[in-house]
Amino acid sequence: DTGVSQDPRHKITKRGQNVTFRCDPISEHNRLYWYRQTLGQGPEFLTYFQNEAQLEKSRLLSDRFSAERPKGSFSTLEIQRTEQGDSAMYLCASSLLAHTGTGELFFGEGSRLTVL
Amino acid sequence: DQQVKQNSPSLSVQEGRISILNCDYTNSMFDYFLWYKKYPAEGPTFLISISSIKDKNEDGRFTVFLNKSAKHLSLHIVPSQPGDSAVYFCAAIRRNSGGYQKVTFGIGTKLQVIP
Repeated sequence: DTGVSQDPRHKITKRGQNVTFRCDPISEHNRLYWYRQTLGQGPEFLTYFQNEAQLEKSRLLSDRFSAERPKGSFSTLEIQRTEQGDSAMYLCASSLLAHTGTGELFFGEGSRLTVL
Repeated sequence: DQQVKQNSPSLSVQEGRISILNCDYTNSMFDYFLWYKKYPAEGPTFLISISSIKDKNEDGRFTVFLNKSAKHLSLHIVPSQPGDSAVYFCAAIRRNSGGYQKVTFGIGTKLQVIP
């Protein structure tokens, strides 16, 4: 399977704990995006990378959130001191810049976070 | 600031009939509009797109219409099939000198096709 993969698929944690999600994009894709989706809402943009450079961060990405893509391949999203409001599905997507004729993103299956 | 709006949270259609999903946007600078489909416990998958300079794009049973003056687009599915039952997200994207930017999504419309 050469699609976007995310790990873990589901994480349950206690408030105040740190969590980290990993995303492996499609191998030749140079853009990687993180979105968050809560019940009844569409995906909300968090941040995106072109290769290893983080090009934009949403104001939704508070100081407790940090994302990295150190070698321009996989990416991690870390949430420190989790709060119950962080409970959501965290979606990763990738795209190839040359394919942005349509702006198509390829999404992974998401990592569901539950903060107790 | 909801730049992409889907005002119908749900839609039920009989199998074989036409499904029409609507979307409005506020930002006239969007360059492309896209529709994504999402099944439960899966990530969204791309369905069809349209450039802002077009007014129609067709792909099999799926057709997207764009009315720029009204800042409105719609997705038509004909004929509707039970397997089309899913949440459909309208999305839009801008382009600048750095290439395409983030994709902005609506809140989705849940389509149920009744056999």
